[in-house]
Amino acid sequence: ELKVEQNPLFLSMQEGKNYTIYCNYSTTSDRLYWYRQDPGKSLESLFVLLSNGAVKQEGRLMASLDTKARLSTLHITAAVHDLSATYFCAVGDSGGGADGLTFGKGTHLIIQP
Amino acid sequence: GAVVSQHPSWVICKSGTSVKIECRSLDFQATTMFWYRQFPKQSLMLMATSNEGSKATYEQGVEKDKFLINHASLTLSTLTVTSAHPEDSSFYICSARDLWTGVQEKLFFGSGTQLSVL
Repeated sequence: ELKVEQNPLFLSMQEGKNYTIYCNYSTTSDRLYWYRQDPGKSLESLFVLLSNGAVKQEGRLMASLDTKARLSTLHITAAVHDLSATYFCAVGDSGGGADGLTFGKGTHLIIQP
Repeated sequence: GAVVSQHPSWVICKSGTSVKIECRSLDFQATTMFWYRQFPKQSLMLMATSNEGSKATYEQGVEKDKFLINHASLTLSTLTVTSAHPEDSSFYICSARDLWTGVQEKLFFGSGTQLSVL
């Protein structure tokens, strides 16, 4: 059974600071996703990581994947208030996309001025 | 980009009634759609995989007779919560995979349906 552990689950930080959210998963996977969710809203796709060593950046967010360690990170650089949200990582199985995703518990991020 | 439309956005119903939620892929064909449930301040849990033209595959612990899924076309899947009870109150989200492009790369999510059962 695929398990996804995300930490921290709650993070309060000040604007301008850097921080990293970690996502560990238990079995081999061929795809890892990062999503953002605002309160009462659905999921906004941030990154899709498909291979070992993959690194993707969008604005102040950067995601990376180490398939050997079964670890992905979401790094926030010089945080701003607008990045306050809940961030989920989600992992697919190795079946080529036939199955749904297993989500981490989410990281509730609050960025204070 | 591809869009998945989910309707309704929110619904309030009396206990014992049934509620139907629709998930449509607007500009692509989706042989597979997924239904998730999210309780307040919790993560998303996969409920079932909906396959066009065949029976849905349910995750362990999800009652197939309670959560009826129909995927009659390549652009529409429906989830019917039958005889809803207060414990079924939750945020339901669908997602769809584009049949023709980048199978593994993109999963598109609907806007979600907040169900409140009184």
